[in-house]
Amino acid sequence: GAVVSQHPSWVICKSGTSVKIECRSLDFQATTMFWYRQFPKQSLMLMATSNEGSKATYEQGVEKDKFLINHASLTLSTLTVTSAHPEDSSFYICSARAPTDSGNTIYFGEGSWLTVV
Amino acid sequence: AQSVTQLGSHVSVSEGALVLLRCNYSSSVPPYLFWYVQYPNQGLQLLLKYTTGATLVKGINGFEAEFKKSETSFHLTKPSAHMSDAAEYFCAVSPNQAGTALIFGKGTTLSVSS
Repeated sequence: GAVVSQHPSWVICKSGTSVKIECRSLDFQATTMFWYRQFPKQSLMLMATSNEGSKATYEQGVEKDKFLINHASLTLSTLTVTSAHPEDSSFYICSARAPTDSGNTIYFGEGSWLTVV
Repeated sequence: AQSVTQLGSHVSVSEGALVLLRCNYSSSVPPYLFWYVQYPNQGLQLLLKYTTGATLVKGINGFEAEFKKSETSFHLTKPSAHMSDAAEYFCAVSPNQAGTALIFGKGTTLSVSS
């Protein structure tokens, strides 16, 4: 299947700083990528839909000024957590739809653990 | 709006036993349905999906699921559990249109004992 890669896998940052997570589609071009957040032992919550060349669409309750999403190319979307606080600590997962797939199959990255201390 | 309900947050089976993970969905339009597996500290891996056509879908690792429209269900089964099947399983739904996000159920933890 299609490959989606995230970097970094693990990151620790100090409270008040910003951290960027990258999501790349390695073997296909993704016009749309999705960012999810997952708390331990819980399900995935959709944060935003990232469209190449346009502004991201955020889900209700997600602070767009805090979680900056940029989709500058067809293979890269980034999530920047600004002014991070301990409550932002979570597992962040990106995903992308392979355009050749007719069934809306979405492939997921490996995820990125963010710990804010 | 679409939603997914996974019945049973935790299922325990013995190695070699039948695995049955339940998923019911709610959708006002014909859905696409998916099952994903997540191993600890990893992303999600697609097990199988239903879009159109045959309602019995076969996936990887011996798993299969059957789409039953009348019951709005998409239960995941495997005839014989292996220890390596122990993981978190998520059922997901999306509208039958490209580019839309998946909506996930809360997940079911599968434990396999020897």
